[in-house]
Amino acid sequence: DQQVKQNSPSLSVQEGRISILNCDYTNSMFDYFLWYKKYPAEGPTFLISISSIKDKNEDGRFTVFLNKSAKHLSLHIVPSQPGDSAVYFCAASGGSQGNLIFGKGTKLSVKP
Amino acid sequence: NAGVMQNPRHLVRRRGQEARLRCSPMKGHSHVYWYRQLPEEGLKFMVYLQKENIIDESGMPKERFSAEFPKEGPSILRIQQVVRGDSAAYFCASSPLYKTGNTEAFFGQGTRLTVV
Repeated sequence: DQQVKQNSPSLSVQEGRISILNCDYTNSMFDYFLWYKKYPAEGPTFLISISSIKDKNEDGRFTVFLNKSAKHLSLHIVPSQPGDSAVYFCAASGGSQGNLIFGKGTKLSVKP
Repeated sequence: NAGVMQNPRHLVRRRGQEARLRCSPMKGHSHVYWYRQLPEEGLKFMVYLQKENIIDESGMPKERFSAEFPKEGPSILRIQQVVRGDSAAYFCASSPLYKTGNTEAFFGQGTRLTVV
């Protein structure tokens, strides 16, 4: 059973527009959420995180929103750039989980 | 300050051979995690280790797979008698805390295992 779900395997966005990547989770014990970015043939790199005590965290062009009642988080990238093209993984931890649980990823393509 | 170092980057093994994947965590990190990514899949947790201890191996296949993180040296993920289905990218991550909550885990570049 997937505890962290990214239901969109891919997303295509025009350069300069907003990219919105979504993630749902089922385990109410998760208390920390992260987004990782992964280029082909490289390891995931940390992008941004949010604690369950917050509903928003912003870092430059990247903002993560958390809706605990809906068990949903999203990553907004504004404005999107071609260099943002990568696979984005949502991850969660907390409760009895001492490790990160990842979603399957969303492949973002930003077209010039 | 080197990041998480994994070697080899690519490993080719014939069916039935053993595969050894190495991971040196970031300096100051005493917690190591191994993940596997199958083609078209996300990252699946395998095992979480602290120095000389396996904390959580709930994601490890019951047979042929083992992991260690000795007091000295890198963490090793060992796969005995490899089969074609073991072909995947294996990623190691490290963190300084018991739980990754409130801090991110840093990943290595992965080892791509191909079983022929």
